[in-house]
Amino acid sequence: LAKTTQPISMDSYEGQEVNITCSHNNIATNDYITWYQQFPSQGPRFIIQGYKTKVTNEVASLFIPADRKSSTLSLPRVSLSDTAVYYCLVGDRGGNTGKLIFGQGTTLQVKP
Amino acid sequence: NAGVTQTPKFRVLKTGQSMTLLCAQDMNHEYMYWYRQDPGMGLRLIHYSVGEGTTAKGEVPDGYNVSRLKKQNFLLGLESAAPSQTSVYFCASRRLAGGQEQYFGPGTRLTVT
Repeated sequence: LAKTTQPISMDSYEGQEVNITCSHNNIATNDYITWYQQFPSQGPRFIIQGYKTKVTNEVASLFIPADRKSSTLSLPRVSLSDTAVYYCLVGDRGGNTGKLIFGQGTTLQVKP
Repeated sequence: NAGVTQTPKFRVLKTGQSMTLLCAQDMNHEYMYWYRQDPGMGLRLIHYSVGEGTTAKGEVPDGYNVSRLKKQNFLLGLESAAPSQTSVYFCASRRLAGGQEQYFGPGTRLTVT
């Protein structure tokens, strides 16, 4: 399974755009990239998933370059409630192995 | 739909005691997972299952056993609890197809003294 590397922590201010980058140099052809958000004392929550180029939903965008060795989660105009830990995962979309490994995550602190 | 539920929510064990954590999902998902999360750390995969009657080891399986006798349930057992197993345990499930979106339960906070 591709190992992921993220910054341990990031700070931002309300209203700013936040970009969190994840490195996954050993990503396989069949692997998809998924991001989760976790608040204290809660289980992680799915944010977004992609394979290549750009994916956007109502809460975030995911940018994946052509070589797919990294990905960037973009959170537009963050608020205090976006303070959380963000995890990047890489795994087989088809789920043949089923195994999904979390990395250390990035703790995002949004300040007023 | 209740989604993913975990029983119990809290538990305190003495070293050497045994217990079983129950995870139930009502979404007809094929895959189920058990993770542990220590304070200030990320989630570590203990065991997972790709279908009823199947289980597989994750990153940190030692000291734990699992069973998936019914599709909707995934049990995590501690045969002889140790203080190192003090953690929050999360269960998750996901569909066979359609990506890596996992649905997580609320967690079980376990303390071993």
